[in-house]
Amino acid sequence: DTEVTQTPKHLVMGMTNKKSLKCEQHMGHRAMYWYKQKAKKPPELMFVYSYEKLSINESVPSRFSPECPNSSLLNLHLHALQPEDSALYLCASSHDRGRSKPQHFGDGTRLSIL
Amino acid sequence: ILNVEQSPQSLHVQEGDSTNFTCSFPSSNFYALHWYRWETAKSPEALFVMTLNGDEKKKGRISATLNTKEGYSYLYIKGSQPEDSATYLCANSGGSNYKLTFGKGTLLTVNP
Repeated sequence: DTEVTQTPKHLVMGMTNKKSLKCEQHMGHRAMYWYKQKAKKPPELMFVYSYEKLSINESVPSRFSPECPNSSLLNLHLHALQPEDSALYLCASSHDRGRSKPQHFGDGTRLSIL
Repeated sequence: ILNVEQSPQSLHVQEGDSTNFTCSFPSSNFYALHWYRWETAKSPEALFVMTLNGDEKKKGRISATLNTKEGYSYLYIKGSQPEDSATYLCANSGGSNYKLTFGKGTLLTVNP
């Protein structure tokens, strides 16, 4: 069982909908990450939160809005997405942002945009 | 090498075979090399993080080596089992922004 929990597992939404992806960890990790993974491609970093503050935004379009309400929770708010945004969205956490710290991943949310 | 590259892209072996695959990364832009195992419908699982040239790590039948001077890491699986079937991803955490850059992975299929 993964120690990083993502909900929902699957999400189908229209281009005008607003939805949110949720991620939760109770390992006391202080760094949390959102990745996007398209088929046959490696995971691509979207956002990094460190100690509940946004520290990296990899030039992600504003239709994706991250939020870190507390040290255990990470949300990704979605609005006016495009069909090309259909992908697997992975959340991960690590002890801190140290580059030699392994990241613990959730199972992901499979997002389909109609 | 500008990015992280993995080879082969896919690999089929018989149960009991030993196998290995490669991760290449820019030696001029290196901090730590991560290996992950990603089984279908599950989450990526961290296997190893290596930082030192010549480092070798082992976890059961899986081991990894690191050459930071020439920019490569090998992952070895001894006596492959069907449950080893997965995509094996490596990632480099070089660069100034603490970002993990992943390779495309090696898809291993172990046939019983």
